[in-house]
Amino acid sequence: SQQGEEDPQALSIQEGENATMNCSYKTSINNLQWYRQNSGRGLVHLILIRSNEREKHSGRLRVTLDTSKKSSSLLITASRAADTASYFCAVMDSNYQLIWGAGTKLIIKP
Amino acid sequence: EAQVTQNPRYLITVTGKKLTVTCSQNMNHEYMSWYRQDPGLGLRQIYYSMNVEVTDKGDVPEGYKVSRKEKRNFPLILESPSPNQTSLYFCASSLSVQFLRGYTFGSGTRLTVV
Repeated sequence: SQQGEEDPQALSIQEGENATMNCSYKTSINNLQWYRQNSGRGLVHLILIRSNEREKHSGRLRVTLDTSKKSSSLLITASRAADTASYFCAVMDSNYQLIWGAGTKLIIKP
Repeated sequence: EAQVTQNPRYLITVTGKKLTVTCSQNMNHEYMSWYRQDPGLGLRQIYYSMNVEVTDKGDVPEGYKVSRKEKRNFPLILESPSPNQTSLYFCASSLSVQFLRGYTFGSGTRLTVV
């Protein structure tokens, strides 16, 4: 069953702006992961945040996790055309199963 | 190069004709999994394997079979494909789920069943 839910479903911004995507979930988790998928291609792992972590950075990516609200956000700073892709959150539950959301489609306009 | 290799990349077949999609990883990963991706539905897990000779059903296993005879290979078998199995399929692997690492995905297999 799908428990990760991304918001918004689609986001279109100008190059150079920041993009924020949110993910909500229902179960208790071991960790939460974010992936990027370019059109029709395989998913690429971006960042993993453990349940006892609140914030994590990787280059232009910043992920926050609020376990009390069962939510996470992915911030991409100074967006580039190459960031155009779909972004998925996936939560790993207590049985080590990864549960996926339906994704946010991000379009960066030049 | 560390990777998950799926073959074929594209496949068009007819209803009822058995097919196999291969998946191989060169990272000595214990965990492997198959997903299907359909528009608006995100990724749905078909089968997964925690290690050699250990396989379990995911969310949508009906109409599929898998095997894990060797650590590196995890083929997906459709014994009698039907049009509702038309989809984009991904194989993924991870060192071990308990090590809490991200998954490495293959490039995908776009299957059309007519």
